[in-house]
Amino acid sequence: SYVLTQPPSVSVAPGQTARITCGGNNIGSKSVHWYQQKPGQAPVLVVYDDSDRPSGVPERFSGSNSGNTATLTISRVEAGDEADYHCQVWDSSSDHVIFGGGTKLTVL
Amino acid sequence: QVQLQESGPGLMKPSQTLSLTCTVSGGSISSGPYYWSWIRQHPGKGLEWIGYIFYTGNTYYNPSLKSRVTISVDTSKKQFSLKLSSVTAADTAVYYCARASGGRIWVDAWGQGTLVTVSS
Repeated sequence: SYVLTQPPSVSVAPGQTARITCGGNNIGSKSVHWYQQKPGQAPVLVVYDDSDRPSGVPERFSGSNSGNTATLTISRVEAGDEADYHCQVWDSSSDHVIFGGGTKLTVL
Repeated sequence: QVQLQESGPGLMKPSQTLSLTCTVSGGSISSGPYYWSWIRQHPGKGLEWIGYIFYTGNTYYNPSLKSRVTISVDTSKKQFSLKLSSVTAADTAVYYCARASGGRIWVDAWGQGTLVTVSS
């Protein structure tokens, strides 16, 4: 079955740029979605279809996807961005919906 | 804006059947294209898609849970439900109901989640 691999943790100083990766075999051929989850809360969609943002999500959040890696980029990181981030794809060949293991973003 | 709310028991014993209901408000449950979904999260772990029922009634179940899972919908009550049979401690998790949409399926609305603990 298709597997998505995320680093367990990423750390960044306030004001810097955080990059969170999501690896998968030829993931560039799929659409990747990203969710932000703060402690004790349900996830929130921050990027869909690789690079689109839902209404209300700051422009600081952006996404890209190519080859075997998709990336969520958070520019000008703020303390409030500290959260777990999950990537997700729909594998059309198997009709499976798959999540990565999640990445904890720590703002130093 | 659509809102979802889970309801069901918080504590169960091994071998029982877990039954959760999600009530949808602020939108239609019978229009589409929406995938009415159940997703769970084991303590301190990542998210796991359990399955969905499409607005047409078609269902998809995670292969690892397929033999134990049933998702159904009651459009008159604006509810959809999850049944998971023969639960064990490994089914202890926060269970979310959610609405997914789009041709490539992403979740655009989540319930608040409900913790289900399986313990003897």
